[in-house]
Amino acid sequence: ILNVEQSPQSLHVQEGDSTNFTCSFPSSNFYALHWYRWETAKSPEALFVMTLNGDEKKKGRISATLNTKEGYSYLYIKGSQPEDSATYLCAFLTYKLSFGAGTTVTVRA
Amino acid sequence: SAVISQKPSRDICQRGTSLTIQCQVDSQVTMMFWYRQQPGQSLTLIATANQGSEATYESGFVIDKFPISRPNLTFSTLTVSNMSPEDSSIYLCSTGTAGEQYFGPGTRLTVT
Repeated sequence: ILNVEQSPQSLHVQEGDSTNFTCSFPSSNFYALHWYRWETAKSPEALFVMTLNGDEKKKGRISATLNTKEGYSYLYIKGSQPEDSATYLCAFLTYKLSFGAGTTVTVRA
Repeated sequence: SAVISQKPSRDICQRGTSLTIQCQVDSQVTMMFWYRQQPGQSLTLIATANQGSEATYESGFVIDKFPISRPNLTFSTLTVSNMSPEDSSIYLCSTGTAGEQYFGPGTRLTVT
């Protein structure tokens, strides 16, 4: 069983503030790390697929970094908006995707 | 890309009964996957379904409890059999590659 941990489990952010949260994963036999955004009653939406140590990816106000040697990835949301409210999942890829339990972000107007 | 629909979107079922969840993809795909997320837990792979062969189940999941059909390249079903309250979960189907996965919107199941 692969341990993929996400912290914090949930967080509340004021609109306009920036935030970040963590995904930790096994640092050996790394292949790829996925980030997904999952809104209630909708399909999880792919944000990033990260494969190289030191990778930094950006999509609008959301960005992610990757450290494969120490086994962690950060997801950043800059200038949070109410539409950023969702659960953010990371998943470690081996022969299958092993998911963390997610960080639920609530942005207060 | 792939667009995936699932039916039903939610259901409340009595313990001891079975529910079949349908998953439809808008294009032909080789592999389809079924996941479960129990309350407060991680999304967990149940099985991988290839057309024309038996599904491959992950450790802890068995065919008698979660029979899967894959009659063609765009469709799959997952049945949750002899349900108990522990089966209350969100069930998701997906398809894709190592580079990108596409998910359905999920079926929220409550077993009473």
